Amino acid sequence: AQTVTQSQPEMSVQEAETVTLSCTYDTSESDYYLFWYKQPPSRQMILVIRQEAYKQQNATENRFSVNFQKAAKSFSLKISDSQLGDAAMYFCAYRSLGSQGNLIFGKGTKLSVKP
Amino acid sequence: GAGVSQSPSNKVTEKGKDVELRCDPISGHTALYWYRQSLGQGLEFLIYFQGNSAPDKSGLPSDRFSAERTGGSVSTLTIQRTQQEDSAVYLCASSLAYRVGPDTQYFGPGTRLTVL
Repeated sequence: AQTVTQSQPEMSVQEAETVTLSCTYDTSESDYYLFWYKQPPSRQMILVIRQEAYKQQNATENRFSVNFQKAAKSFSLKISDSQLGDAAMYFCAYRSLGSQGNLIFGKGTKLSVKP
Repeated sequence: GAGVSQSPSNKVTEKGKDVELRCDPISGHTALYWYRQSLGQGLEFLIYFQGNSAPDKSGLPSDRFSAERTGGSVSTLTIQRTQQEDSAVYLCASSLAYRVGPDTQYFGPGTRLTVL
């Protein structure tokens, strides 16, 4: 079975600085998808960025980028120019190609942004 | 367009009572998922529906949990004889079709269930 591990329960960053959230996963599959979701206090999970495992190029969405290391099974999220609105829980998630499609989540990292 | 909606936003019930949680997916999304978010267990998959196919119930924690999806749209998650360990946030998500590419899941705001 696949597992997702987020080793940092909490992180803090100064406004306008850069922070990196870690995520590792375990799988025997060669093709899969990886996601980062943000969950603010409103509880609504919002997709931040996604990566197809067969793509070598790291995904980027504005201030958010990933460092995808397939061999190391690592999928870290970098947030540049951090803003107060980035404060939230961040969840790393894995999805198999062949399964019913459900996401497997890590435990999450709570990010605080200091003004 | 409208996102995934869930009702009620919060539900407080007494142990042993039955509860129904509702999810309205994004129009046109054929796949619908239920997840449970609790302090001890994190986010767990419960059940998913894909079009008119039989639902995959492999994540349901006990036979007290059931779900249905009427007309391929609205879904109801029912918990019978609630227990205190059922207290959690129940999240619903929908997507276009899970076999198509990354098929991003869009989440609703969740229902916070508290069992006294």
